[in-house]
Parts: sequence; C-alpha cells; structure tokens
Amino acid sequence: NAGVTQTPKFRILKIGQSMTLQCTQDMNHNYMYWYRQDPGMGLKLIYYSVGAGITDKGEVPNGYNVSRSTTEDFPLRLELAAPSQTSVYFCASSEGGGLEFGPGTRLTVT
Amino acid sequence: GDSVTQMEGPVTLSEEAFLTINCTYTATGYPSLFWYVQYPGEGLQLLLKATKADDKGSNKGFEATYRKETTSFHLEKGSVQVSDSAVYFCALRTNTGNQFYFGTGTSLTVIP
Repeated sequence: NAGVTQTPKFRILKIGQSMTLQCTQDMNHNYMYWYRQDPGMGLKLIYYSVGAGITDKGEVPNGYNVSRSTTEDFPLRLELAAPSQTSVYFCASSEGGGLEFGPGTRLTVT
Repeated sequence: GDSVTQMEGPVTLSEEAFLTINCTYTATGYPSLFWYVQYPGEGLQLLLKATKADDKGSNKGFEATYRKETTSFHLEKGSVQVSDSAVYFCALRTNTGNQFYFGTGTSLTVIP
C-alpha cells in the first residue's frame, strides 16, 4: 500500500512552459485534493474532486486545470507557468477521515 | 465561511517544557478537527483528530480536546523533545465532508 504518490519530486520550469504534476492513490479514496504551500505559509486549496469525473475549484484555481478520469489519478496541469506558481504542491486523498498527503512536488518557475 | 485561526509562531522551547498551540475555528454545524505535523522537507502527517464535541484526540504524547463552547482545539504536550521540532497545522473538515480548511501553521523549535 503506497498511499499517495506524486511525481516529479522537483522541477524547474521557464516562464510560459507547461507541465503536469501527477498524483496517484491506491486506497480507493473518492475525495482527492491539490494544495499549494508557499514558503512560511499555510496550505491553499487549488482544486478538489469528490469522485471520478467530478472536479471543483478551491481558493486559488487560476492558472491550473485538473481532470479525474479514474478514482486513482488526479493530475494537475499548469498551462502557462508564471513565477507566482513557484511553490510546493501537495496532493491528498480522503475517505471520510483525515487527509492522506503525498510527499509533495517542489516547483520553481524562473 | 469556515476557517481556522491558529497561534502565530515561531515558538521556541527548551526540552521538557510544556507546549500549547492555540487553535480556534469558525464553522457551521459540527466539523471534524485535526492536527497535522510537517517535519522539515516532508509532507504533512496526521497527528491526531476529534470528530465530535468533548472528544479528546491523542498521539505521541500530544493531546487536543474538541471544545464546542469555545470553538477551540488547542494542542498540548507535557514535555517536548528535540524531535518534536516541526510545523504544526490545525485543520477542520466541513460538515459535508468535502472540504478541509487549514490554519497558517505554527513552527516549533525545541532546543536541548
């Protein structure tokens, strides 16, 4: 049981490039989330999903897109990277209890 | 809307000191409450939780009691260790179970 896995662990992007952050969970959780954590700050919700085929915006969705074609996978897409998107990104899942977090992806946009 | 407010840090304590990190919340109905811990360079891990009023969550010597009358969920530990140095986040899960709200985190450093 690997829990929540995220790839890549680190990435440097140039302004205007695009990329997809991968997130997979093997716990059959219906709820999945993407958060960003800026240095010295708390977590801000980007998008979440309550099940396959259903997604919804969180606090800070601008500049991001998600899809949820399967229960296991919840990728986060950055289309036109901007320096303001430099952050650590955490994926998490839940099934009625607390959140299980992945190890995070550290993204730098220069 | 729902929100969590927690004590600002950073907090620096000597080993074996008593720890309190305050957390209050605003929510409709009866949310579930959580404390998460984040060690340097790692993701967040669930430390403890409480799902209804007067419940006490506990783990690794940490405790927190769900107080509905004061809308609080303060984290306490009687004797901290250097290994407790981390950032602690208070969080709530809404009534509907769909969304989680986090406090801004409190950084704790324990010195020998």
